Amino acid sequence: QVLLVQSGGGVVQPGTSLRLSCRASGFIFSDYGLHWVRQAPGKGLEWVGAISYDGSNAKYAASVRGRFTISRDNSKNTLSLQMNNLTTADTALYFCAKMSESEDCWGQGTLVTVSS
Amino acid sequence: SFDLTQPPSVSVSPGQTARITCSGDALSDQYVYWYQQKPGQAPMLVIYKDTERPSGISERFSGSSSGATVTLTISGVQADDEADYYCQSADISGTHVFGSGTKVTVL
Repeated sequence: QVLLVQSGGGVVQPGTSLRLSCRASGFIFSDYGLHWVRQAPGKGLEWVGAISYDGSNAKYAASVRGRFTISRDNSKNTLSLQMNNLTTADTALYFCAKMSESEDCWGQGTLVTVSS
Repeated sequence: SFDLTQPPSVSVSPGQTARITCSGDALSDQYVYWYQQKPGQAPMLVIYKDTERPSGISERFSGSSSGATVTLTISGVQADDEADYYCQSADISGTHVFGSGTKVTVL
């Protein structure tokens, strides 16, 4: 069974940092690129970024580029999202996702609230 | 980056057909994927590569493409189809984008 289990999240102040993690099981982790997608309260889906299967290449949405960093540890089947200089606009439910060509798997989502 | 445009809402009676469009300049060159999201749940892929249906997805869901517009069609709409639907694509550099989403209401 393909599973993505997320951890991290919480309430932080503007300008601070937070790290989200996503632990995978049920598939060959090192074979797949992975994504982060977020959803602000009551809003639509926003692609945050993605990382290649081997971690050599990452892409980011313009809204987070330069502040967020996606990384992965293929030895631990773990995907991470390091978020720096957070603003209130980053408040959202964050999903990790395996968005393969013909199938998908999503984490349960983790809420990040940026508030003073 | 590029934008994908969807209608905010579509209303349909049970048993009828719902059509949701997604338009964008890049779509004539890139595939579109459709996701269904119900309240409190993660999204779920219902159509990939414009027209293909993942394993386990009802045949009532179909996709079509014409130039810069792709369409998700839900035939014989059921109450359980009530959800938000998002199109998604990527440009040649690997930057992905989601459409703004369409809320399907079953009357």
